[in-house]
Amino acid sequence: NAGVTQTPKFRVLKTGQSMTLLCAQDMNHEYMYWYRQDPGMGLRLIHYSVGEGTTAKGEVPDGYNVSRLKKQNFLLGLESAAPSQTSVYFCASSSLGLGQETQYFGPGTRLLVL
Amino acid sequence: KQEVTQIPAALSVPEGENLVLNCSFTDSAIYNLQWFRQDPGKGLTSLLLIQSSQREQTSGRLNASLDKSSGRSTLYIAASQPGDSATYLCAVETQGGSEKLVFGKGTKLTVNP
Repeated sequence: NAGVTQTPKFRVLKTGQSMTLLCAQDMNHEYMYWYRQDPGMGLRLIHYSVGEGTTAKGEVPDGYNVSRLKKQNFLLGLESAAPSQTSVYFCASSSLGLGQETQYFGPGTRLLVL
Repeated sequence: KQEVTQIPAALSVPEGENLVLNCSFTDSAIYNLQWFRQDPGKGLTSLLLIQSSQREQTSGRLNASLDKSSGRSTLYIAASQPGDSATYLCAVETQGGSEKLVFGKGTKLTVNP
């Protein structure tokens, strides 16, 4: 039982390049989330999903897209990376909606956009 | 808009000391409040979750309290150990809106041997 895993662990991009961050969970959780963590800003919710095939916007969705084609995977895409997207990205999952159970977090992906 | 504030931003204590971390939030319409621990370069680990109808939760040497009406929570750590050194994050789930789980910026705790 690996919990929540994220791929890759670290990536360097040039401005304008695209990439996809992969989050996978093996706990059969319905809910999945993508956050970014920036110094002095705390964690902020980018997008989330309440089940396979669904996605919704969080607090800071601009510049990102997501897909939840399979229940266990939640993909975060950057179509045209910008330096402002340099951050640490965390994926999380939970079996029930917020308010009923805590979220389980992955180890994070460090992204540097030059 | 919900805002979560944690004071102090950093705290350094000698081993064995009891300590309190503070968290305040501006909108009392919450579903729950959670305390997380984050070690350097790692993800977040949930410590305690307090539902809005509860006053406190305990786990081992940790005790978290919630006063929803005043918008405050405290995390009490008894008999601190060097292994407790980490950043502690407070988060609230707000009712409605797109913010969902709103995090504070954390308190960085250092417990010195």
